[in-house]
Amino acid sequence: QSALTQPASVSGSPGQSITISCTGTSSDVGGYNYVSWYQQHPGKAPKLMIYEVSNRPSGVSNRFSGSKSGNTASLTISGLQAEDEADYYCSSYTSSSSWVFGGGTKLTVL
Amino acid sequence: QVQLVESGGGVVQPGRSLRLSCAASGFTFSSYGMHWVRQAPGKGLEWVAVIWYDGSNKYYADSVKGRFTISRDNSKNTLYLQMNSLRAEDTAVYYCASGYTAMVIWGQGTMVTVSS
Repeated sequence: QSALTQPASVSGSPGQSITISCTGTSSDVGGYNYVSWYQQHPGKAPKLMIYEVSNRPSGVSNRFSGSKSGNTASLTISGLQAEDEADYYCSSYTSSSSWVFGGGTKLTVL
Repeated sequence: QVQLVESGGGVVQPGRSLRLSCAASGFTFSSYGMHWVRQAPGKGLEWVAVIWYDGSNKYYADSVKGRFTISRDNSKNTLYLQMNSLRAEDTAVYYCASGYTAMVIWGQGTMVTVSS
């Protein structure tokens, strides 16, 4: 159950687009379309932003999108806004019938 | 509204036990899988355990296997996490979350501190 690999930090200016990668193996990210992304503001509970690779829950802005290629999933945020500044985590189902999270990425809006 | 409320956290000595609860409201609890996820101070999220909607299947992270037990009472709309043989490294905020392929709704978390 090794953690998925995410960049520790990314940054962008308001209005720009950024992409956060999430790299796993064929036993997790690459093997299943059960990748999800979570946003967490300081001191708050995580919030689901993307599920099953590319689906947005009701109420989540269409500025957030997800994709996957091989063993790497990606979260793209377009039209960056100040309120997007937060920590982002990816998660995947695994072949062990368990789940695994990435180490998290701190997004800074410059 | 849809809500999950955790309780039962606190300070406990190493080797002791603690039981967390997660009360669900606003949705059909018995239709959804449920997870426990924890977050150590200043660290990232760590998945702990999952239980199917009917309690028929349970899976655990290697770090807690054999020490923690996830269970549910669908008649009480409540999820539990029995934590035995607690260690300092179990210190974290524990969240419950609904869903199976993704963690859709999250509670606010309850803090567990393992310290002598």
